[in-house]
Amino acid sequence: DGGITQSPKYLFRKEGQNVTLSCEQNLNHDAMYWYRQDPGQGLRLIYYSQIVNDFQKGDIAEGYSVSREKKESFPLTVTSAQKNPTAFYLCASSTPTGLTDTQYFGPGTRLTVL
Amino acid sequence: EDQVTQSPEALRLQEGESSSLNCSYTVSGLRGLFWYRQDPGKGPEFLFTLYSAGEEKEKERLKATLTKKESFLHITAPKPEDSATYLCAVLAGGYQKVTFGTGTKLQVIP
Repeated sequence: DGGITQSPKYLFRKEGQNVTLSCEQNLNHDAMYWYRQDPGQGLRLIYYSQIVNDFQKGDIAEGYSVSREKKESFPLTVTSAQKNPTAFYLCASSTPTGLTDTQYFGPGTRLTVL
Repeated sequence: EDQVTQSPEALRLQEGESSSLNCSYTVSGLRGLFWYRQDPGKGPEFLFTLYSAGEEKEKERLKATLTKKESFLHITAPKPEDSATYLCAVLAGGYQKVTFGTGTKLQVIP
């Protein structure tokens, strides 16, 4: 089955720790994205990558880092510099079709800081 | 700056009671408007992409329409399983950045 997988589903972090969220896709999509979702707010873009070994900051990149060493994988590290990391994190991927790209989402990872 | 506003924030319907959700947008150079369905604790599920004013798309009890300023998601004779949060998003200009609305939480009561 083609799709996007995220792991783990739930993640607990102690203050001061870095944690890495996994995102893998087998859709052969070129672009991948990380969003953060908080109650009452729209999805906010953290980072995105249009090709391997290249990525751009989104609206709320501070305290986060990413890598794109393989087309299929786009891991997100939440560093200790992120002041309020408790949130639902969503990974998405897309590939250009005509004038636009439709993004498809993974199941999400819920991160809680203890 | 691109803006997307969804209304109402929450909607409660009786089973079979048709209604519409609204997505108003302010963008420069719309390239696509997207509708997603999101169940609690899950990732958004893609429903529709609309590209230009006047376009309509349908899927089961859902029909999405687009004008130059807004999009509507019409729900005909909804069932309890249609209960979810419906998200609207736009892609505009020369960038890859998609702007999302805050969603409409729909509850369909048997």
